Amino acid sequence: TQLLEQSPQFLSIQEGENLTVYCNSSSVFSSLQWYRQEPGEGPVLLVTVVTGGEVKKLKRLTFQFGDARKDSSLHITAAQPGDTGLYLCAGAPGSARQLTFGSGTQLTVLP
Amino acid sequence: DAMVIQNPRYQVTQFGKPVTLSCSQTLNHNVMYWYQQKSSQAPKLLFHYYDKDFNNEADTPDNFQSRRPNTSFCFLDIRSPGLGDAAMYLCATSPKVSRGRSEQYFGPGTRLTVT
Repeated sequence: TQLLEQSPQFLSIQEGENLTVYCNSSSVFSSLQWYRQEPGEGPVLLVTVVTGGEVKKLKRLTFQFGDARKDSSLHITAAQPGDTGLYLCAGAPGSARQLTFGSGTQLTVLP
Repeated sequence: DAMVIQNPRYQVTQFGKPVTLSCSQTLNHNVMYWYQQKSSQAPKLLFHYYDKDFNNEADTPDNFQSRRPNTSFCFLDIRSPGLGDAAMYLCATSPKVSRGRSEQYFGPGTRLTVT
């Protein structure tokens, strides 16, 4: 059983569309992170959310941490081809030091 | 710029021939990690060093070993690569982490091919 479930697993959309990626768990996390990974490169940290209910914005990307700190979402407005990549949520459950990664969402934005 | 560097970016080795992948960092972070990532999957943690303290994941095969001679460098040794070990290998670092918070900074990865 995956500790962090991401959905959808694959998403292919047209440029200009909006989308939301979900990251869910039955465990409480002190914080959750979102990474984006482009083909042939390592993951790049986008944001960390720490407080339940927190919303963070990064240009066209909006990240939300659930009130109970068990889930998070990533919303992209007006997607562009440059947003294409593998989106990974990750967190350290409880008092753990090591990150647990979600299963990933492969996003393709078509021009 | 402070960063995590991995060499080589692409490595081809023969079945059973030992191979070493290297990682260096200029971030002066205490923690270094090695992950294995297969196509379109999440990275899988192999082991990590917290300073000099080595921590192996329970399901990491004995075929995989690691060395950290100093703060800046960490090596991944695959003693007898099999075809199933072909993957992207990612190195990551983290500052001394508080429990429950572990932002990691990844290198660009080494793509290993086993022939």
